[in-house]
Amino acid sequence: EDQVTQSPEALRLQEGESSSLNCSYTVSGLRGLFWYRQDPGKGPEFLFTLYSAGEEKEKERLKATLTKKESFLHITAPKPEDSATYLCAVQARGDDKIIFGKGTRLHILP
Amino acid sequence: SAVISQKPSRDICQRGTSLTIQCQVDSQVTMMFWYRQQPGQSLTLIATANQGSEATYESGFVIDKFPISRPNLTFSTLTVSNMSPEDSSIYLCSVEAYGGEGGTGELFFGEGSRLTVL
Repeated sequence: EDQVTQSPEALRLQEGESSSLNCSYTVSGLRGLFWYRQDPGKGPEFLFTLYSAGEEKEKERLKATLTKKESFLHITAPKPEDSATYLCAVQARGDDKIIFGKGTRLHILP
Repeated sequence: SAVISQKPSRDICQRGTSLTIQCQVDSQVTMMFWYRQQPGQSLTLIATANQGSEATYESGFVIDKFPISRPNLTFSTLTVSNMSPEDSSIYLCSVEAYGGEGGTGELFFGEGSRLTVL
């Protein structure tokens, strides 16, 4: 069964304190791994797609990386506006369904 | 990109009643997805709605409880029937972005409909 596990569940950082969020996945043939950001009271907002091990994508203070078993979302020198829940999701080859993890609630303290 | 509007944004409902959530997309799309997000849980796919055919439901979700309509390529509704407190959740409508080779897996979401069942 395809599965996505994210850790930690919650993370509090000081502004400027870099860290990483983890997404471990089990899927029968990965088509794509996705990262989303979700603010309170809003729907998830797409950040990145990663397709193969070794691939990296960057956007402002965020960088996503992918191995054959997990993905990391690295946050460099975060700011309070980076506070949100970050969701990881996977899609298997030949399947329209996208499976989400429970997310990591990130809180950046000023 | 796609802009998705959902109504209602939130509602408080009585046990045993039904509520219909509307989802409007600003462009024509083949598939629309309905997700549920319970407190502290991941987004769970309820069903996939294709225009002109019956919706495809995921394991644990049935048409009698969550009937879906898809009358055209820009609109869908999800009804939560005979509600109980366990149905209290955020319900999200989404569509997939398409590239040159078909679906990209990138989803656009509505703002969600937060239902509280008393």
